[in-house]
Amino acid sequence: EAGVTQFPSHSVIEKGQTVTLRCDPISGHDNLYWYRRVMGKEIKFLLHFVKESKQDESGMPNNRFLAERTGGTYSTLKVQPAELEDSGVYFCASSPEVKTTYEQYFGPGTRLTVT
Amino acid sequence: RKEVEQDPGPFNVPEGATVAFNCTYSNSASQSFFWYRQDCRKEPKLLMSVYSSGNEDGRFTAQLNRASQYISLLIRDSKLSDSATYLCVVNRTDSWGKLQFGAGTQVVVTP
Repeated sequence: EAGVTQFPSHSVIEKGQTVTLRCDPISGHDNLYWYRRVMGKEIKFLLHFVKESKQDESGMPNNRFLAERTGGTYSTLKVQPAELEDSGVYFCASSPEVKTTYEQYFGPGTRLTVT
Repeated sequence: RKEVEQDPGPFNVPEGATVAFNCTYSNSASQSFFWYRQDCRKEPKLLMSVYSSGNEDGRFTAQLNRASQYISLLIRDSKLSDSATYLCVVNRTDSWGKLQFGAGTQVVVTP
């Protein structure tokens, strides 16, 4: 079974530019999550989709971040315009079924560098 | 105050030795507890869930102390492959999809 995949694996952009990250969850997983780890800090939750609906977006830092999951399959996270403090590793995770978090399966992450 | 706190280490452990470390959490509403393992520049992977009565998975033993709000992980007979960062993770019932991570404890097993 294929795991969670993320694209791109690395992205280097200039401040003010736009970047779109993509996540493909494990097939059949209704729950999809975005997390971020900035340098020297712990992994922090950004948001949670259940199918195509946003269940919890309390971790989104500001309105420069837009997440979508059209059709309840893959998800995109767009940062526009990017700022220096957005640099970090963005992880996507997925889990099966509603209302269970017994295991979230993480993707390899996208390493974003904003210069 | 951080919701989940861990000693960052590193814990330098001779191969074959035992190492144990704790994690504290601040919110008493926390209901589910996990240890994840993260290798350098890799994604976190679930090592084990932590149950109220404590649980064991091979060489790994996890304990939960709700009264004192801490979780522990003990690794017996350490292997070189156990070198990694161990992330303490908690989940609250009021935000069931949101995992809260500690910053991790680094373990280095030496020959």
